[in-house]
Amino acid sequence: DIQMTQSPSALSASVGDRVTITCRASQGISGSLAWYQQQAGKAPKLLLSGASRLESGVPSRFSGSGSGTDYSLTISSLQPEDFATYHCQQYYHTPRTFGQGTKVEIK
Amino acid sequence: DVQLVESGGGLVQPGGSLRLSCAASGLTFTTSDMHWVRQVLGKGLQWISGIGTGDDTYYAVAVKGRFTVSRENAKHSLYLQMNSLRAEDTGVYYCAREGANWAFDHWGQGTLVIVS
Repeated sequence: DIQMTQSPSALSASVGDRVTITCRASQGISGSLAWYQQQAGKAPKLLLSGASRLESGVPSRFSGSGSGTDYSLTISSLQPEDFATYHCQQYYHTPRTFGQGTKVEIK
Repeated sequence: DVQLVESGGGLVQPGGSLRLSCAASGLTFTTSDMHWVRQVLGKGLQWISGIGTGDDTYYAVAVKGRFTVSRENAKHSLYLQMNSLRAEDTGVYYCAREGANWAFDHWGQGTLVIVS
């Protein structure tokens, strides 16, 4: 199975901050990576697929990059509604493994 | 609007069984690969099973041999039969649709399973 390691597991930030979350795969996944946002008590919501392709309706302050084994999600200017948990997932191989999640909290 | 609505969760004793259902609407169910993902309370997401449009099925090692995924296209429904349940199966179970870009683009609201 492909292991996905996300870091950090949690971070504190202020509105307006630039935030970056990283995800490392245990083997190359050729850009087959998705990022999800999960608000407390809600289902995950797809933000990006293909490592950098923004889903329709997702604000442009979200961006993704990476290749091979290393990927990142960046929020350019954190907004109040962005405080949530973010999960990466590889879909290069089944089982479709997730990272352990990164909780973004208000500083 | 796309809707995925799970049902069938509840409290069950270790060794017991449950059958989860996921009713889909607003999407072309028959041409969608579908998945089950669970989340232990306060923890990360764990993919546990998937089923393709040709009824090909896939399972995580943790549930293989105990869980069975199936679909009924005429009813736009996805199912997860869970047998020999263990305490570590406790969590919220989500059904999710695999979109054209292979990521999970639609999710249900989840149904809680407690094995105790």
